Amino acid sequence: DADVTQTPRNRITKTGKRIMLECSQTKGHDRMYWYRQDPGLGLRLIYYSFDVKDINKGEISDGYSVSRQAQAKFSLSLESAIPNQTALYFCATSDAGTGELFFGEGSRLTVL
Amino acid sequence: AQRVTQPEKLLSVFKGAPVELKCNYSYSGSPELFWYVQYSRQRLQLLLRHISRESIKGFTADLNKGETSFHLKKPFAQEEDSAMYYCALISGGSNYKLTFGKGTLLTVNP
Repeated sequence: DADVTQTPRNRITKTGKRIMLECSQTKGHDRMYWYRQDPGLGLRLIYYSFDVKDINKGEISDGYSVSRQAQAKFSLSLESAIPNQTALYFCATSDAGTGELFFGEGSRLTVL
Repeated sequence: AQRVTQPEKLLSVFKGAPVELKCNYSYSGSPELFWYVQYSRQRLQLLLRHISRESIKGFTADLNKGETSFHLKKPFAQEEDSAMYYCALISGGSNYKLTFGKGTLLTVNP
């Protein structure tokens, strides 16, 4: 069951293009996150949101922006994509009580 | 500064051998620690958390505050344990922060 759904799953784009990655969840969680995964660097937090009116920068927010359209939707945008933003991007939600993260399947982005 | 260190990028063992994936942390408060696993072509998922003190798929992890460690152990590795493992730490309160280690890729050979 796809509690956390990411679209697109794969995207190839060119330098300078605007890209949006979308995430939707059916878990009813207030907390949502965007991570980036790179080989040898693990998971790094880009942005997180604890509710619809709350947006916070993570450790690598430069070059990215987010929008929390509803409790269930959290989008990540690259205003002007560059090659070093080529990575696997994960959306996640969390249970505020336990802290457990629930991840989407990932969106693989390639910037040429 | 809050930090999670997984010293081994790669770990290879034979089926039936014991396995230990190391995780050390740096945090001044009382940490909440987790292990997440990513099997091939699957999404990241929680393996276990230190608060629950449970064993999942034969894995256990004990929080050692003196050594600031949360190593993941299994006495007899199975081929299906081959995956990427991430240790993670949450600091709570008003200064919320979640930090992942860089991960260890475990390969269990037949």
